[in-house]
Formats: sequence, C-alpha cells, structure tokens
Amino acid sequence: GAGVSQSPRYKVAKRGQDVALRCDPISGHVSLFWYQQALGQGPEFLTYFQNEAQLDKSGLPSDRFFAERPEGSVSTLKIQRTQQEDSAVYLCASSSTSVWETQYFGPGTRLLVL
Amino acid sequence: GNSVTQMEGPVTLSEEAFLTINCTYTATGYPSLFWYVQYPGEGLQLLLKATKADDKGSNKGFEATYRKETTSFHLEKGSVQVSDSAVYFCALAGYSSASKIIFGSGTRLSIRP
Repeated sequence: GAGVSQSPRYKVAKRGQDVALRCDPISGHVSLFWYQQALGQGPEFLTYFQNEAQLDKSGLPSDRFFAERPEGSVSTLKIQRTQQEDSAVYLCASSSTSVWETQYFGPGTRLLVL
Repeated sequence: GNSVTQMEGPVTLSEEAFLTINCTYTATGYPSLFWYVQYPGEGLQLLLKATKADDKGSNKGFEATYRKETTSFHLEKGSVQVSDSAVYFCALAGYSSASKIIFGSGTRLSIRP
C-alpha cells in the first residue's frame, strides 16, 4: 500500500513568511510524529499525535511552531514568521497501533529560509 | 536524559570489507534500540531493531546485538556491497506509543567497487 507522503517536497521561504507542511500518514495509523533534521544531523523530535490528540509537543523549538491533526489522519506543521535557523528537512512518521510499532517515515519536506 | 552517540563518519570501505559502526547509548529503563538507514534520495527506513538485552537484530546481512552491560548496539556486516552506501542512524525509543525516537547524528558510509 501507499507509504507516508509529505508535501511540498521542497519549500523556499523568505524570512518572516509563514509556511505549512503537510503529512499524509499510512491509512489507519494511530500515531503520528514530526521530526526536524538539520543538515548533517540526525532527526530530532518535534511533536506527537495519537489520533487527533497532541500528546507531546515538548520538542517544538518555539511558539512559532504549531501542529495539528484535526481528524486524526492528515497532519499539518505550521511555522510562523520563519527564521533562517528553521531551514531543515521536516520528517513525518506514522505507526499503526497504540502499542509501540515500527515508525514509517515519509520522504520529508526540505525547507530553505532565505 | 536519553541520548545516542555513534561513530562519526564518513566511513569509506572497499567492497566485501567487514563493517563495524559503533553506537552507545544512555537511557533510563529498558529502551528499544534501532538502526535506521537513509539511502541517497530516499526516506529513512528501519534496518533492524532489538527490544531487550542480548537480543540480536538482523536484516540484509546486517546485525547488531543489544548489550546492556556496555550500553552498546554496534552495527556489523561481514561483506559490504556498493549498494550499502548510505547514512546509518543508531536510535532508541521507550516502549510505548508515545515514545519518540532519539537518533544519533548519523554515519555516512561509502563503499568503493
């Protein structure tokens, strides 16, 4: 079946612009995670949803970052007033059940803030 | 807090050479341990995992053993191929649906024909 998809794949934004990144998890997957991967580094956790509930947002770096999953499927990560340090690849991952299972990652959205 | 430290790269080997990429971790409790791989132009994929001490994860000729006494999870392969060229990430997570994955910084592996 289809894997995790993300859009757009690439986004160039001017400093100060707002951006919205979309994640379509594997159908039926309960858990959804967002990670940020800076160049040359491993991914770092941003936030976690179980269905529509955001259970952990401890990794969001500032209040400019906001994520939602209103119907428990598609999720959107929004970054307001983008800064150059926000430039990174944003990864979405989903897993199937309420017991820990393998997280399946999407291809990521590469964000460049100029 | 929990953390993962892995061997810095890049690592360059000739085809059919033996591979070891070191990984050590710091964690409370009994985390699950993983190796993820990122091939050029592709997304992160789970390569193998181990969920308790002394477990050995294996896949595609790669192996790693969960060593609680040395807090290590080193990745090994007896004979690498050009197609193994990728970035490898060691990672850990707790055992719950709310468990975020904590990744190491990655090791870039290049295999020469």
